[in-house]
Amino acid sequence: EVQLVESGGGLVKPGGSLRLSCAASGFTFSSYSMNWVRQAPGKGLEWVSSISSSSSYIYYADSVKGRFTISRDNAKNSLYLQMNSLRAEDTAVYYCARVGTAMVWSGNDYWGQGTLVTVSS
Amino acid sequence: QSALTQPASVSGSPGQSITISCTGTSSDVGGYNYVSWYQQHPGKAPKLMIYDVSNRPSGVSNRFSGSKSGNTASLTISGLQAEDEADYYCSSYTSSSYVVFGGGTKLTVL
Repeated sequence: EVQLVESGGGLVKPGGSLRLSCAASGFTFSSYSMNWVRQAPGKGLEWVSSISSSSSYIYYADSVKGRFTISRDNAKNSLYLQMNSLRAEDTAVYYCARVGTAMVWSGNDYWGQGTLVTVSS
Repeated sequence: QSALTQPASVSGSPGQSITISCTGTSSDVGGYNYVSWYQQHPGKAPKLMIYDVSNRPSGVSNRFSGSKSGNTASLTISGLQAEDEADYYCSSYTSSSYVVFGGGTKLTVL
């Protein structure tokens, strides 16, 4: 059974940092591109970042470029999101999601349960 | 990059068919076949319903179908059921900023 479990969320002050993790199991993690997608309270979905299976290709939304860093450790079946210079508008539930096909822009077929990040003083 | 345009809400009675539209531009929906649709129930993670415009993941009911015409993609749900009541989001690859989502559509089953 495919499982994605996020962790690392919490309350952080503006300007602070946080590192999110996503533990993957039930599939060959090293074969799939992965995404981070976030959802502010009561709002819609927003794509944050994508990473290819071997980390050769990395992409960011303009809203987080230069502040967030996506990475993965295929040996540990884990995906990460290092978030620096956090702002109030980064407050959201952060989901990790698996890309279901070989094309990194295809749909996300499995999602974690999400981890809440709250940026507030 | 502006979000793709979806109706804020749609509704239908059990057994009926409804269609949710997702309008973009030639730089996203119209230019690429990377349109996906997600269903999200309150407090839950999104679920993939359609990928690459019209492909249905295994396990998703064949009552759900996707299509595209020009810059507008559509999700059609036939034989509407009470459990279909949820928020629906479209997304697309975009040449300007990689991935864009629609604002979401709340489906109400009357």
